[in-house]
Amino acid sequence: NAGVTQTPKFRVLKTGQSMTLLCAQDMNHEYMYWYRQDPGMGLRLIHYSVGEGTTAKGEVPDGYNVSRLKKQNFLLGLESAAPSQTSVYFCASSYVSGGPYEQYFGPGTRLTVT
Amino acid sequence: LAKTTQPISMDSYEGQEVNITCSHNNIATNDYITWYQQFPSQGPRFIIQGYKTKVTNEVASLFIPADRKSSTLSLPRVSLSDTAVYYCLVGDLWAGGPHTGKLIFGQGTTLQVKP
Repeated sequence: NAGVTQTPKFRVLKTGQSMTLLCAQDMNHEYMYWYRQDPGMGLRLIHYSVGEGTTAKGEVPDGYNVSRLKKQNFLLGLESAAPSQTSVYFCASSYVSGGPYEQYFGPGTRLTVT
Repeated sequence: LAKTTQPISMDSYEGQEVNITCSHNNIATNDYITWYQQFPSQGPRFIIQGYKTKVTNEVASLFIPADRKSSTLSLPRVSLSDTAVYYCLVGDLWAGGPHTGKLIFGQGTTLQVKP
């Protein structure tokens, strides 16, 4: 099992450009999440999905869109990148039932917007 | 808005027990408390989760008082490899039931274990 993988690992964008971050999991998890982590801060939830075809807003959703067309994939899009979106982005997934409700995290994508 | 508060940093020595406390005064009835460990340039890794009283697994214990307004992660006999950032997470986005979509991470506690 590869677990949770993220593509790309690094990216530099100019202000106004768009891009899509891909998250894939091979554990058949129902829930998937996108977080951002800024220096000196904990992780903040951007969007999440409780199943294929569903998405919902988290704590900091502005400037981002997501899609979950397949159960194993969760895409995070930036339509018009801004310097404030410079961050490390983590994807995670988890089971719904059985407990404990452990999130498995990917290795992260480091994004710089100039 | 619910908030979690942790000490910014802690120092310890190999072989000692380390206790890290997280304050979550606004915890809601459906919230669980989870702790994660993060090494540089890696994603967080699950340590332990609980709802009330005490939970123990092979790597840590979690103590939650009756009012649930705080929780304490206990790491027995730490080693140099336990040097990392530890995050407290409070949320209700679990188990497929009704939820508010809340997952609030603390700012993290940097634990430095010395030889």
